[in-house]
Amino acid sequence: GAVVSQHPSWVICKSGTSVKIECRSLDFQATTMFWYRQFPKQSLMLMATSNEGSKATYEQGVEKDKFLINHASLTLSTLTVTSAHPEDSSFYICSATPLPSGRGPPRPEQYFGPGTRLTVT
Amino acid sequence: AQSVTQLGSHVSVSEGALVLLRCNYSSSVPPYLFWYVQYPNQGLQLLLKYTSAATLVKGINGFEAEFKKSETSFHLTKPSAHMSDAAEYFCAVSKAGGYQKVTFGTGTKLQVIP
Repeated sequence: GAVVSQHPSWVICKSGTSVKIECRSLDFQATTMFWYRQFPKQSLMLMATSNEGSKATYEQGVEKDKFLINHASLTLSTLTVTSAHPEDSSFYICSATPLPSGRGPPRPEQYFGPGTRLTVT
Repeated sequence: AQSVTQLGSHVSVSEGALVLLRCNYSSSVPPYLFWYVQYPNQGLQLLLKYTSAATLVKGINGFEAEFKKSETSFHLTKPSAHMSDAAEYFCAVSKAGGYQKVTFGTGTKLQVIP
C-alpha cells in the first residue's frame, strides 16, 4: 500500500517552454503533498508543501511564479515549471502524507514517487 | 531549527558484514526520525521510523535503528549486508506531531563488496 506515482518519469523540453509534472497517490488519500528537487549526488531540497484546496507554501528562495503547484484533489498534485531554462534541469520528486485513519493520530511518514527527470535544452 | 548529520558520504562493507550508517540529529523539540533508501533514478522508500514509542525500531529488509537521546543519534544497522543493499541512504528528522516538514541529511552511499 501507500503507492505514489509520478508522470512523466522523464521529460526533455526546450528552453522557454513549460512542463507539467503530475503526482498521484494511488491507494490512499493524501492530506499533504510535498515537492522536492534533487541535484546529482545531493540530498533532497524541499521546494514547497501543498494541501488540497489551498495555496502551496513555498520554501525560501523558491520562485512561486516559476514553479506553479496545484493540489486539485486528495490524490493529485501538479508541479508546472514555467519558462524552463537549462538550470531547471533536475530530478523532481513528490511525496505524500496519508490521511489519518478514523480518529487516529496524523501519520508522520511521507511516501515518495519515483521521480521525474527534467532536462531543459 | 532541526537538522541531521550523516557521518560518511560513502561506506563500503563486504557482503555478509555488519552495516552501520551513522546519523546524529539536532532538534529543540522531541523529534520524529526516519531512514529512507534510494536506488538509482528512483524515489525514496521508507525503511523505518521513530515516533517516540520504542527506542529500538525495526524496519524492512532486516534494518533497524536505535534512538539514543543522550547521544542525539539514530544510527542504522543491519547484521549482514547483502548485495541488494547497495544504495543511497538518507536520515531525516521532523518535529513530532505529524504533517511536519522533514529535513533530510546529505545521504550515505553504501557499497557492498562481494
